Amino acid sequence: SQELEQSPQSLIVQEGKNLTINCTSSKTLYGLYWYKQKYGEGLIFLMMLQKGGEEKSHEKITAKLDEKKQQSSLHITASQPSHAGIYLCGAAPTGNQFYFGTGTSLTVIP
Amino acid sequence: DTAVSQTPKYLVTQMGNDKSIKCEQNLGHDTMYWYKQDSKKFLKIMFSYNNKELIINETVPNRFSPKSPDKAHLNLHINSLELGDSAVYFCASSRVRTGIYGYTFGSGTRLTVV
Repeated sequence: SQELEQSPQSLIVQEGKNLTINCTSSKTLYGLYWYKQKYGEGLIFLMMLQKGGEEKSHEKITAKLDEKKQQSSLHITASQPSHAGIYLCGAAPTGNQFYFGTGTSLTVIP
Repeated sequence: DTAVSQTPKYLVTQMGNDKSIKCEQNLGHDTMYWYKQDSKKFLKIMFSYNNKELIINETVPNRFSPKSPDKAHLNLHINSLELGDSAVYFCASSRVRTGIYGYTFGSGTRLTVV
């Protein structure tokens, strides 16, 4: 069974628009990681969230962990073409096995 | 049915040994990857193959050698294992080279070198 569900699966936005990607776990999260892949490259680590309610920002990307909902959201403000790529969440819901979400493909139209 | 399967799931071996980790995907994807995850859960790409052709080869020791007999398989062979090789290794696949349709990851292989 899928441990981490990401939504949406793909997203196409106009440059300058805000967007949100969600990652939902079927079990309690012990930490949530966000990665990004630029097309044709490997995964790049973005940020890690550990505590419920924790929020971190990097440039125009903000991620928040809501432990009660077993969910994390990644928000991009004023999107740019450089934000395009695949966003992937990863976590260890049981504390042992590490799982990844299915990824969200983001396209930003100039 | 397991989409991306890795074997073994756990591997404990002594320094200096040679070992292999196998990966198979039944999704019909044309690109496969090997990632190394360190103790802080950071992922680092090692290799990527597209239709049996090596397209990404990051800076990893020559002791690591990927082998892709066909596009459904990407095995990782490690020679002369060292303590620092201990990590979880993830295999993944995607439908197209850009990964635009998203990844499917294997369950990981936890390698412990003693």
